[in-house]
Amino acid sequence: DAGVTQSPTHLIKTRGQQVTLRCSPKSGHDTVSWYQQALGQGPQFIFQYYEEEERQRGNFPDRFSGHQFPNYSSELNVNALLLGDSALYLCASSPSGQGVNTGELFFGEGSRLTVL
Amino acid sequence: DQQVKQNSPSLSVQEGRISILNCDYTNSMFDYFLWYKKYPAEGPTFLISISSIKDKNEDGRFTVFLNKSAKHLSLHIVPSQPGDSAVYFCAAIQPGTASKLTFGTGTRLQVTL
Repeated sequence: DAGVTQSPTHLIKTRGQQVTLRCSPKSGHDTVSWYQQALGQGPQFIFQYYEEEERQRGNFPDRFSGHQFPNYSSELNVNALLLGDSALYLCASSPSGQGVNTGELFFGEGSRLTVL
Repeated sequence: DQQVKQNSPSLSVQEGRISILNCDYTNSMFDYFLWYKKYPAEGPTFLISISSIKDKNEDGRFTVFLNKSAKHLSLHIVPSQPGDSAVYFCAAIQPGTASKLTFGTGTRLQVTL
């Protein structure tokens, strides 16, 4: 049973460029969340997708956008990259209706983005 | 505004002894608290959780204690094992915000032989 898979694992971009990160949730999970973890910090919530819609959003600018597909996979897009966007981007999945308020998420290994 | 704080960036404990990791929070709306463990090059993995209506939850070698009046929780690992060496994150959620975890900055635990 595959867990949460993310791609790419590493990538390097320059300021002003755009990036797309991809995530496949754990089998049986239909809710996907994205987190940003800067160096030396804990993960910060970006947004959550369920039923192909953004359901919750953290304190991130509109440059951060996402999408969820009918197969529950998800993409995170970041436009007009800044140096400060360099971080590990984590995708997490969970099943709806189960653990709804328990915060038990399954995380992928992350995509490490470096912006030069 | 750091709503969840882990003031100890690192902790070193001998194998077999108790490890105590601490976490403080400021938002009284949090009603569920979790600990995640993270190994290098891996995503965080859920370890243990506690509801705000409880003051203790135990799972094998891991026990989490919650002191609501002090807005403080701690994770006890007894006995500590070398495989427990990892970064531990404390996290909290508010009612109705299932996936929106607020994480602390983490504590790196090293269990020595």
